[in-house]
Amino acid sequence: RKEVEQDPGPFNVPEGATVAFNCTYSNSASQSFFWYRQDCRKEPKLLMSVYSSGNEDGRFTAQLNRASQYISLLIRDSKLSDSATYLCVVFRSGNTGKLIFGQGTTLQVKP
Amino acid sequence: GAGVSQSPSNKVTEKGKDVELRCDPISGHTALYWYRQSLGQGLEFLIYFQGNSAPDKSGLPSDRFSAERTGGSVSTLTIQRTQQEDSAVYLCASSFSGKGAFFGQGTRLTVV
Repeated sequence: RKEVEQDPGPFNVPEGATVAFNCTYSNSASQSFFWYRQDCRKEPKLLMSVYSSGNEDGRFTAQLNRASQYISLLIRDSKLSDSATYLCVVFRSGNTGKLIFGQGTTLQVKP
Repeated sequence: GAGVSQSPSNKVTEKGKDVELRCDPISGHTALYWYRQSLGQGLEFLIYFQGNSAPDKSGLPSDRFSAERTGGSVSTLTIQRTQQEDSAVYLCASSFSGKGAFFGQGTRLTVV
């Protein structure tokens, strides 16, 4: 089982739709959580950090449930430019601390 | 510069040759990661440096792969006796420990 699991999709949604991505992680020592965005043939870019209290950045809302080891990203009012792969990332603390990337969820927003 | 810098941006090499890929992290970042990504695939972890600790080399696919980080800053990933399956984009990222990492634009390696 992968340490960070995501539904690969693709999610095909019309412009203006609301879409949610989920991610689960298996290591309870995970300490920090992030969502990244990767466009085709580009490097991943940090989209937002994820906090237990939930956080919002414009049309994007991220949630963390530590008890269930579950992270989500909600995108409201989808734009064509939101089409990309969204990567769930956790930082595993301890002696082997490092960033662990999920395989990504592909979003395609259609006109 | 302000971001992570990788060089070269593209490298074509003959099978069996050695290659060196360079990463210049963001100044002051203590953590440095190397990943590779084949077309249409996810990120594959290779190696992680954190401060003066021993690097986590658990992702290196074979003993043909090695990496150094000199003076806690610049890192070099070396691939010896390259094979066609080594063709991929090699991505470097840096961060403060526990914080989100910032990626360079990658080196696209093609082994012919």
